[in-house]
Amino acid sequence: GEDVEQSLFLSVREGDSSVINCTYTDSSSTYLYWYKQEPGAGLQLLTYIFSNMDMKQDQRLTVLLNKKDKHLSLRIADTQTGDSAIYFCAERKGNKFYFGSGTKLNVKP
Amino acid sequence: GAVVSQHPSRVICKSGTSVKIECRSLDFQATTMFWYRQFPKQSLMLMATSNEGSKATYEQGVEKDKFLINHASLTLSTLTVTSAHPEDSSFYICSAFQGAGGYTFGSGTRLTVV
Repeated sequence: GEDVEQSLFLSVREGDSSVINCTYTDSSSTYLYWYKQEPGAGLQLLTYIFSNMDMKQDQRLTVLLNKKDKHLSLRIADTQTGDSAIYFCAERKGNKFYFGSGTKLNVKP
Repeated sequence: GAVVSQHPSRVICKSGTSVKIECRSLDFQATTMFWYRQFPKQSLMLMATSNEGSKATYEQGVEKDKFLINHASLTLSTLTVTSAHPEDSSFYICSAFQGAGGYTFGSGTRLTVV
């Protein structure tokens, strides 16, 4: 079945790196995603990784995928106050997305 | 880039009334759209898959008579919450499938039933 888990909160200081972790249970997922949700807003796609990749980097964002442990992480370098939001990881099987509970990132100035 | 518009962004309705939420793909055609629900401080849960010109497919536990979905054109899907009750208060988000362009989420609709 599909069970995606994330820690609920993360607090970092501005300028530090943030690492948000996610575990999933279904190894047949094709793509894994990271979305950002600001208060009262919809989902903004940050990045995604295909299940046969180990790493993907896009500017300040680095995604690491450990298929053996079914562990996905999102690293945000030089975290800014504007990065404060809820971050969701999601796995996609076919057309369906299965989301984690979201990690609330708080960036302190 | 692909844009999916949801309307309204916020709605407050009285208990017992029905509310319609629209999801439009603005610059592409979407044969398939998806409706998600997000309870406060919880994750998004898929409610149903909406296919243009055919009946929606509902996830287990979602009442199809309460959450009516219509996907009458390639750019519009609607979700109608019928006889709304306070427990239906939630954040509803749609997603549209663009083929090779992937999936685009709407900005969401916050429904409050009083």
